[in-house]
Amino acid sequence: GAVVSQHPSWVICKSGTSVKIECRSLDFQATTMFWYRQFPKQSLMLMATSNEGSKATYEQGVEKDKFLINHASLTLSTLTVTSAHPEDSSFYICSASRDGEQFFGPGTRLTVL
Amino acid sequence: EDQVTQSPEALRLQEGESSSLNCSYTVSGLRGLFWYRQDPGKGPEFLFTLYSAGEEKEKERLKATLTKKESFLHITAPKPEDSATYLCAVHPYGQNFVFGPGTRLSVLP
Repeated sequence: GAVVSQHPSWVICKSGTSVKIECRSLDFQATTMFWYRQFPKQSLMLMATSNEGSKATYEQGVEKDKFLINHASLTLSTLTVTSAHPEDSSFYICSASRDGEQFFGPGTRLTVL
Repeated sequence: EDQVTQSPEALRLQEGESSSLNCSYTVSGLRGLFWYRQDPGKGPEFLFTLYSAGEEKEKERLKATLTKKESFLHITAPKPEDSATYLCAVHPYGQNFVFGPGTRLSVLP
């Protein structure tokens, strides 16, 4: 149990376009999901906490208007990178919380040209 | 401020050579300590949760232990497939997870 999926697993887009990443908890309901960003050979950096039915809580330094988060149901959260630029290229990972534990998705590699 | 450090940063072992990874932490109140394994280009895979000092958990060649200041991940007779980055995270009460920088483990055949 506790399987989390992400889609797509990788995406390449042109500068200025928007990209949506989906995070789903497949076999449990998650009132809270998290979005992380990870640079090569570095640890996870929390971007925001997503709560079902309410606005996301963003970490300091993360632009709310650039990284739009929607937690539409107990099994789905989406991250939209708006007007993406090359510096947004990174590995984005979501996690879903269950009983105080976090279970991670496989990650999405975003490359902005 | 809640902090997590891990040592060593990188570790090379020969197959069968047992060793330990360290996770040191300072938190105001610990709800739980977590160990994850991460392979390159993939999301972290959950390994263990520890809640109180003295607690131990085992899974195959891995054993995690916890004290009031640190946790160890012991790897017994490792195999090349154990090569990965091992992440430690603490969950302070009322706060989000705090992740350590990880230990990159390489097990050579």
